[in-house]
Amino acid sequence: AQKITQTQPGMFVQEKEAVTLDCTYDTSDQSYGLFWYKQPSSGEMIFLIYQGSYDEQNATEGRYSLNFQKARKSANLVISASQLGDSAMYFCAMSRPATGNQFYFGTGTSLTVIP
Amino acid sequence: DSGVTQTPKHLITATGQRVTLRCSPRSGDLSVYWYQQSLDQGLQFLIQYYNGEERAKGNILERFSAQQFPDLHSELNLSSLELGDSALYFCASSGGQGQTNNEQFFGPGTRLTVL
Repeated sequence: AQKITQTQPGMFVQEKEAVTLDCTYDTSDQSYGLFWYKQPSSGEMIFLIYQGSYDEQNATEGRYSLNFQKARKSANLVISASQLGDSAMYFCAMSRPATGNQFYFGTGTSLTVIP
Repeated sequence: DSGVTQTPKHLITATGQRVTLRCSPRSGDLSVYWYQQSLDQGLQFLIQYYNGEERAKGNILERFSAQQFPDLHSELNLSSLELGDSALYFCASSGGQGQTNNEQFFGPGTRLTVL
């Protein structure tokens, strides 16, 4: 079965510091995608970053980068220079083309940025 | 704004009732996904439609059904509602021309409360 594991239910980070949110996944597929979404208290799901299983370079989008370690099956999100507005739930998700690309989500990590 | 619209935003109803949630995907997107987010189950995939046809099924109860219409909007029908069906229901779309990854664009969600 496909599975996404986020082991940090809650994290705290000082404003302007960097923080790493952990995500491990389990699949036997060769082709898959890994995503991170942010869900603020208002409830919407905001796309942050994508990494394809065949991508050799780690993905980056502004202050977000994805530390992709394929052999370890991990896809950690790194947020640099944290801002107060980064306080939210963060979800890691995996998609598999073999089954229509629906998302398998982790349980999420609640990030609080402290001023 | 993701370009995906969902109505209604909030829905309060009683046990045993039936409701319909509506989703309009981003212009050009052919795939629509439905997800349920609840406190005890987390974010779960329910069902996917692609260009009017059911493509994949997840943890969708038999009391729930969905369809995608020729104009690509989708409806999720929930019947014989139980207290445990109270959740945030998301619609997401993807598959538009030129899309290079499998990013899904999420609507704002419909918050269903069953009393």
